[in-house]
Amino acid sequence: KQEVTQIPAALSVPEGENLVLNCSFTDSAIYNLQWFRQDPGKGLTSLLLIQSSQREQTSGRLNASLDKSSGRSTLYIAASQPGDSATYLCAVWTQGGSEKLVFGKGTKLTVNP
Amino acid sequence: ETGVTQTPRHLVMGMTNKKSLKCEQHLGHNAMYWYKQSAKKPLELMFVYNFKEQTENNSVPSRFSPECPNSSHLFLHLHTLQPEDSALYLCASSQEWRRYTGELFFGEGSRLTVL
Repeated sequence: KQEVTQIPAALSVPEGENLVLNCSFTDSAIYNLQWFRQDPGKGLTSLLLIQSSQREQTSGRLNASLDKSSGRSTLYIAASQPGDSATYLCAVWTQGGSEKLVFGKGTKLTVNP
Repeated sequence: ETGVTQTPRHLVMGMTNKKSLKCEQHLGHNAMYWYKQSAKKPLELMFVYNFKEQTENNSVPSRFSPECPNSSHLFLHLHTLQPEDSALYLCASSQEWRRYTGELFFGEGSRLTVL
C-alpha cells in the first residue's frame, strides 16, 4: 500500500529565505507526482506535475525534483514571500492494484515578513 | 466561470437532514472525483466518475450517494450523516480517469458540519 510522507509538518521562515519541502513515498511504481498548494479553508491549487520519466519541473520561483528510485521529491521555493504561506501537499499516482492518487498530509509553511 | 465550482461553500446539517453538494467543471474534462479532507488526515478519495460512469467507490458508507448526470456535473447526496462526517469535501476533475499524465484540478470545497 502506497504511503506518502511529508516532512516537516510545519515550517516557519523569514521572508526572502530559500526553502525545501520534502515528500517521500514507499512504492516507486508511480505514474507521476503532483505538488499542490492549499490556503486555509480553500481547495487545492496545482503547482507542478512531474511525470515518472522526468527529473524536475520548474515554474517561476518553484522547482520540483523527483527521484523515483529512492521514492523522494522535493519542492524548492526561492526567495520566499509572505504570500507563499499555505499548506503544500504532494500526491502520487500509483500503479497496480487500486490505482489512485495518494496524498501526503502536507507541510504548513509560514513566511514571516 | 472558472475551473471547478462547488456549492454550497458551507453547510450545517442535523443528522436526520437530507442535503446535496454540487460540483460543476468548465474544463471539458471527462473524469470527476469526490475527496474528503478531515483534520490531520490525508485527502481520502471517495468516488470517481469517468464519462458519467462510476469507476471507483472507495468503501464509502451508503449515507453518501453520488450522482453524475453528465461529464460536467457531479453531486454528492447526503442523508442521516454522523458528526464524524464533518469535513471539507473537495471535488476535482481531470481529462480522463487513468490517463495518468493529466493534472487534477480542484474546486474550493464545501465545508460540512454535522450537528
